[in-house]
Amino acid sequence: AQTVTQSQPEMSVQEAETVTLSCTYDTSESDYYLFWYKQPPSRQMILVIRQEAYKQQNATENRFSVNFQKAAKSFSLKISDSQLGDAAMYFCAYRISGGGADGLTFGKGTHLIIQP
Amino acid sequence: DVKVTQSSRYLVKRTGEKVFLECVQDMDHENMFWYRQDPGLGLRLIYFSYDVKMKEKGDIPEGYSVSREKKERFSLILESASTNQTSMYLCATARGPKQETQYFGPGTRLLVL
Repeated sequence: AQTVTQSQPEMSVQEAETVTLSCTYDTSESDYYLFWYKQPPSRQMILVIRQEAYKQQNATENRFSVNFQKAAKSFSLKISDSQLGDAAMYFCAYRISGGGADGLTFGKGTHLIIQP
Repeated sequence: DVKVTQSSRYLVKRTGEKVFLECVQDMDHENMFWYRQDPGLGLRLIYFSYDVKMKEKGDIPEGYSVSREKKERFSLILESASTNQTSMYLCATARGPKQETQYFGPGTRLLVL
């Protein structure tokens, strides 16, 4: 069974600084998707960034980027120029690729605090 | 934009009651999912559906059932609510067999007394 591990229950960063959230996963598959989702307080879960395992290039979305190390099974999220609106729970998630429906496997989450 | 709505934001029920949580989406997505979210445990998959009247068990289906009579609507049923089912329930949808991205509803916070 696949597992996703987020080793940092809570992280704190000063506004405008850079922070990196860690995620490791365990799978025997070679083709899969990895995701970072953001859940602001009392608000809807939204997708931050997605990485396809067969792509070597790290995904980037504006201030958000990932460091995908397939051999190490590591998928960290870097947030540059942190803003107060980045404060949220961040979840790393995994899904096998290929046809057929399947749910996401989530990590336990990292609570990100932005210090003004 | 994908819109996923859930019937209630907050719900209080008594032990033994039958509870219905409803999820509706407006984007014609084939796949729909129910997760529960608990502090320190992340999200765990309860059930999912890849088509009308089709359902698959997730990681923690015990004590739950689901119904999908129409494509846009996916219901989670607690046959006899218990206190250990107090949780946040999240519905999600995804398009097609690749379902690259799941879109989440706002969640229902259920308290079972």
